[in-house]
Amino acid sequence: DAGVIQSPRHEVTEMGQEVTLRCKPISGHDYLFWYRQTMMRGLELLIYFNNNVPIDDSGMPEDRFSAKMPNASFSTLKIQPSEPRDSAVYFCASSLGRGVSGANVLTFGAGSRLTVL
Amino acid sequence: GENVEQHPSTLSVQEGDSAVIKCTYSDSASNYFPWYKQELGKRPQLIIDIRSNVGEKKDQRIAVTLNKTAKHFSLHITETQPEDSAVYFCADNQAGTALIFGKGTTLSVSS
Repeated sequence: DAGVIQSPRHEVTEMGQEVTLRCKPISGHDYLFWYRQTMMRGLELLIYFNNNVPIDDSGMPEDRFSAKMPNASFSTLKIQPSEPRDSAVYFCASSLGRGVSGANVLTFGAGSRLTVL
Repeated sequence: GENVEQHPSTLSVQEGDSAVIKCTYSDSASNYFPWYKQELGKRPQLIIDIRSNVGEKKDQRIAVTLNKTAKHFSLHITETQPEDSAVYFCADNQAGTALIFGKGTTLSVSS
């Protein structure tokens, strides 16, 4: 397996533009997570899905952020409109479900570094 | 959920010394406590984890201890090497399936 695949790896955009980050989880993993990493706030959980259904989005900072998982192999995190304070590294991670050996173990993607000017 | 409290935020040791990083959690329902290592510019990767039915776990030079009564767990690295230099994150599953991470500890090992 190629692991968790994220794109783009780097994105530079101007304030007000729409940003879409993409993630392909490991095949067979039924949990998918989006985290944001900044120096000030560390690794923050934004939202997570189980079997393509959003379970907890309480970490999504505001209505400008939205996430979808249309199928088991693809998720997007969208920011519209983007602001300079959204600049961060966004990580996608996936894991196996509860009760399974290896449950809770997160495998992270390489991250998408977003810079909003 | 509340963040896991992690200390210290930075730690500098000489090669060969031991390093200890401590985390405190608040939710007594948490039952899974992993440690992730993140090298500069890379993704976080699991290095060791412990579940609440175990008090200690070792893997070569690293070990994790769990004190459920005091609600804290610690990462111990012995015989540190320059390649141990990285940011280390503790986490717990207070959110159920999702992990909540501490703020991280930057470990520097000088030779």
